[in-house]
Amino acid sequence: DGGITQSPKYLFRKEGQNVTLSCEQNLNHDAMYWYRQDPGQGLRLIYYSQIVNDFQKGDIAEGYSVSREKKESFPLTVTSAQKNPTAFYLCASSTIRGAGYTFGSGTRLTVV
Amino acid sequence: GENVEQHPSTLSVQEGDSAVIKCTYSDSASNYFPWYKQELGKRPQLIIDIRSNVGEKKDQRIAVTLNKTAKHFSLHITETQPEDSAVYFCAVFSNTGNQFYFGTGTSLTVIP
Repeated sequence: DGGITQSPKYLFRKEGQNVTLSCEQNLNHDAMYWYRQDPGQGLRLIYYSQIVNDFQKGDIAEGYSVSREKKESFPLTVTSAQKNPTAFYLCASSTIRGAGYTFGSGTRLTVV
Repeated sequence: GENVEQHPSTLSVQEGDSAVIKCTYSDSASNYFPWYKQELGKRPQLIIDIRSNVGEKKDQRIAVTLNKTAKHFSLHITETQPEDSAVYFCAVFSNTGNQFYFGTGTSLTVIP
């Protein structure tokens, strides 16, 4: 499915809970990204990573955390500090120079 | 960092007419400019891209033009069809930050 897999497709979170969204790619891409998309809005960068064990904050990193222990995996944790987490989350990967940019199918997170 | 602006935010055209969406950017070091189509609830899909050493690229009914001097690039869709209805995003890959910057999206509606 495009070489990049996000799971789960739908996720429900209770107030005060941390949840982790999975993103795995088998494209041998060095760079991976997490975006948030609100209804009718564009893509906003949360975090990105260009190499294992290194990642950078994007425009809206507050309330989120990531890790990059393996090249293939870039999980995103939505912490209880994120006050408005309901959104569509997209993971993407590319080569270090931006080639082959591919999106995952997304995770829709809802706070209940 | 890079600043990407996309216009218009909504566009309605009659079936068979052409649609044009324009993006401007600020970082002259940016060198890769893809366009994505996103259908409701799905991942963005790459539809066409252009690199900074090329002025125009065409793929059937879709074309992209780039003016590096003016720092703008445009998506042209000719002979529009109802299935072209979607949200279109431009993106810019900045060598300065080694990351993508996205426009805010254009919701295109093709009226049968």
